[in-house]
Amino acid sequence: AQSVTQLGSHVSVSEGALVLLRCNYSSSVPPYLFWYVQYPNQGLQLLLKYTSAATLVKGINGFEAEFKKSETSFHLTKPSAHMSDAAEYFCAVSGTEGGKLIFGQGTELSVKP
Amino acid sequence: AAGVIQSPRHLIKEKRETATLKCYPIPRHDTVYWYQQGPGQDPQFLISFYEKMQSDKGSIPDRFSAQQFSDYHSELNMSSLELGDSALYFCASSPTLPISGSLFSGNTIYFGEGSWLTVV
Repeated sequence: AQSVTQLGSHVSVSEGALVLLRCNYSSSVPPYLFWYVQYPNQGLQLLLKYTSAATLVKGINGFEAEFKKSETSFHLTKPSAHMSDAAEYFCAVSGTEGGKLIFGQGTELSVKP
Repeated sequence: AAGVIQSPRHLIKEKRETATLKCYPIPRHDTVYWYQQGPGQDPQFLISFYEKMQSDKGSIPDRFSAQQFSDYHSELNMSSLELGDSALYFCASSPTLPISGSLFSGNTIYFGEGSWLTVV
């Protein structure tokens, strides 16, 4: 079985500051890990995915995430926050590539001017 | 690029009524997924189809049913609606094999904009 836990339901940063959204996973098989972003009243957009090809994954909009097996973590980072990054971020895990996704509880990111 | 199309985008129904949501996957995607996201909740997997056959089942109520048609579009049928069914319903699709030129490698799952169902 797979599950993910996102630490912090709400994160607030200043514009230009580092963004760090935490995600820890649990999986009985090598996991496929994802970060999705959801803007208000919109669908889920894939930011990046980990499929064991490389531990540091670069995604869209300047986001990246590092897979750390020893820590069972897949934290999302962005060096400099932009106002347009304000949204809900979901970490998700799948036991197979293309299999159903199990989502974390989500982290709402606020960006202050 | 074409995306996952869902209709209707908004739907209001009364308790005990029936609702049908439609999903048109990205062309050449052969797998369709349905998710339910309640207010302030994370998306919950309902059901998936591969090549028109049910491939996986999650927390889908018995009052709900779904199918995938020969053109790969899918419909989610919800009967005897309850207030608690009010949610955002996502459809997603993925290809079995990677499609050249896609932004991400592998059979990535792409989501539609969702269908808002309000039960009153």
